Amino acid sequence: DAGVIQSPRHEVTEMGQEVTLRCKPISGHDYLFWYRQTMMRGLELLIYFNNNVPIDDSGMPEDRFSAKMPNASFSTLKIQPSEPRDSAVYFCASSLAGTGSADTQYFGPGTRLTVL
Amino acid sequence: AQSVTQLGSHVSVSEGALVLLRCNYSSSVPPYLFWYVQYPNQGLQLLLKYTTGATLVKGINGFEAEFKKSETSFHLTKPSAHMSDAAEYFCAVSSLSGSARQLTFGSGTQLTVLP
Repeated sequence: DAGVIQSPRHEVTEMGQEVTLRCKPISGHDYLFWYRQTMMRGLELLIYFNNNVPIDDSGMPEDRFSAKMPNASFSTLKIQPSEPRDSAVYFCASSLAGTGSADTQYFGPGTRLTVL
Repeated sequence: AQSVTQLGSHVSVSEGALVLLRCNYSSSVPPYLFWYVQYPNQGLQLLLKYTTGATLVKGINGFEAEFKKSETSFHLTKPSAHMSDAAEYFCAVSSLSGSARQLTFGSGTQLTVLP
C-alpha cells in the first residue's frame, strides 16, 4: 500500500491567500484525521471524519479553517484567508475501525505551510 | 480529560547505551497508550501500543514499554541505542469513552545518539 498521501509537501504563500491541503487516506480506512504541529503547541487534532462524515471539529482554530471529505479517498483542509500564525506542519492520518481506541493511526508525510 | 507529560524535551545517549524516554499520563478511564517516532521531515510512525493484557509491550526496532498503572507511566526503553534511533518520540493516550478515537500527544522528546 502507498500509505497516506499528502500534497503539496511544501507550501509558501502570502498572508490573505487561500491555501488548500490535500490528503488521500489508505484505501479501506474509514477514519481520517487532520493534525497541526507547531513548536509552541505540539501536535493538535483539528478534525476527524468517520465514513466521510465530520465527527469532531472542536480543534479547528477558527472559521478561517474548513475541512471536507467528499469521498472515501480524498479530503481537503482549507485556510481562507491565511495568516502568518497558521505556519505549521499539517498532518493527515487514517485508521481502520477495529478495536475502538486502539486503532492505529497511520500518518502521512505532512505539508509544511509557510505564510509570509 | 486526558493528558500526557513527557519528561525531558531532549535526551542524549551514547551509541550502545540504554535509552529511557519517560511518559506519564492522566486519564479518567482505562487508557490505551502509544509511542510514535518521527524522523526528520517525515510523518509519525507507530512504535508500539498498549491496549489490554500484558503490561510489557514490545515494538519495532528493539523498543519496548511497560504500562504501570500505579505510577500512571508508560516509559519507553531500548537496551542499546543505535545511531539510527535519533529522532523525536511522542507518547500518546487514547481513552475508551467520549471521543474515543482522539489521540492526545505529549510534547515530544528529541533523542540524540552520540557516537
